[in-house]
Amino acid sequence: EADIYQTPRYLVIGTGKKITLECSQTMGHDKMYWYQQDPGMELHLIHYSYGVNSTEKGDLSSESTVSRIRTEHFPLTLESARPSHTSQYLCASSQVKGQRQYFGAGTRLSVL
Amino acid sequence: AQSVTQPDIHITVSEGASLELRCNYSYGATPYLFWYVQSPGQGLQLLLKYFSGDTLVQGIKGFEAEFKRSQSSFNLRKPSVHWSDAAEYFCAVGARSSNTGKLIFGQGTTLQVKP
Repeated sequence: EADIYQTPRYLVIGTGKKITLECSQTMGHDKMYWYQQDPGMELHLIHYSYGVNSTEKGDLSSESTVSRIRTEHFPLTLESARPSHTSQYLCASSQVKGQRQYFGAGTRLSVL
Repeated sequence: AQSVTQPDIHITVSEGASLELRCNYSYGATPYLFWYVQSPGQGLQLLLKYFSGDTLVQGIKGFEAEFKRSQSSFNLRKPSVHWSDAAEYFCAVGARSSNTGKLIFGQGTTLQVKP
């Protein structure tokens, strides 16, 4: 249905490592989003972007950072991973109108 | 404050039985309304959406939802549940006037289907 891809799907990493979660979409959507979701819990918006070179923090404070150099690409970076960052991270995109968001399959991150 | 409430955290139904998942929202004006489904370890898939017009909307997999403005509700229904419907269901709202496209999600309802 949706052409939005996240890699890796699963990541287990040690404390203090730098990680980048990749998100790409081929639909030409201007708006992209990152959500954090703990198992069985609601989604919390941590970052969003209106378009190239535009990023904003979301409703939930996060130590991660994002960049939007190309329309199709919206990577999320953690400079120094900690066990508290263990969670699932979902990427989504949407068109200007309609507000519907298309979701990637998610990255499940475990920090030991 | 804008919010979405899904009162039922967990629901169990028998296969073949009918299903209703509740969603209530608090918003300044009628928002866009969505229901998403999430299977374990997966992203969210859109089931249906309400933008305007007919308040009873049909979605994929035999689901439907009814928008009731007077009750600020958008409940999801299915007449006969299949075992494959077991998943997490999220109600979401978005502002019509928003330039950001941000959505507010409910807490989710976990559906378990008994054989």
